[in-house]
Amino acid sequence: GQQVMQIPQYQHVQEGEDFTTYCNSSTTLSNIQWYKQRPGGHPVFLIQLVKSGEVKKQKRLTFQFGEAKKNSSLHITATQTTDVGTYFCAKSSGAGSYQLTFGKGTKLSVIP
Amino acid sequence: GAGVSQSPRYKVAKRGQDVALRCDPISGHVSLFWYQQALGQGPEFLTYFQNEAQLDKSGLPSDRFFAERPEGSVSTLKIQRTQQEDSAVYLCASSLRGQGAWNTEAFFGQGTRLTVV
Repeated sequence: GQQVMQIPQYQHVQEGEDFTTYCNSSTTLSNIQWYKQRPGGHPVFLIQLVKSGEVKKQKRLTFQFGEAKKNSSLHITATQTTDVGTYFCAKSSGAGSYQLTFGKGTKLSVIP
Repeated sequence: GAGVSQSPRYKVAKRGQDVALRCDPISGHVSLFWYQQALGQGPEFLTYFQNEAQLDKSGLPSDRFFAERPEGSVSTLKIQRTQQEDSAVYLCASSLRGQGAWNTEAFFGQGTRLTVV
């Protein structure tokens, strides 16, 4: 099926630095979800974005959905060691669609 | 239960052996998904149940893979005649709503790590 591309694949940051991961699609998305997977763990839902240009914040995390609904980003301010993990975006095909297609993820390492 | 439960957590199978992986979704969740996650990759869709009905099995890699959810709660993913390329983490997820509603969040289990030797 249609893929969502995530960049970068890996990111190493010093603790306290900011981090951003990007998710891009060649087709218009109905919504985008973000998940975090800790090493050895399972994906955990973070947020869903639905509206064009939507911006949502969760403490140090800021999620954006592009105006054209073809891209999304996750920005973490002042990273902490607890932010370590792989961040996935996932798309569904449309309203009522059940199938999530995941990107390959961005693996974040935080150097204390 | 409080979350999605999968068993076993780890399974080592000899090539050619059949395996059965179990998923207990969150009580009352209509949708149940199976995903396969290879090392360093994102989860890849295998199959979807809405209650007891298997509405989509397009992601199952071969006819050696079979899934069921006979009473609309517990699900089993069975792999016959396992091969080395089946080695992966198999994730089960459930969500409250079914097809036809806006996607809600999927709650994932811890997964079963299958190693075929």
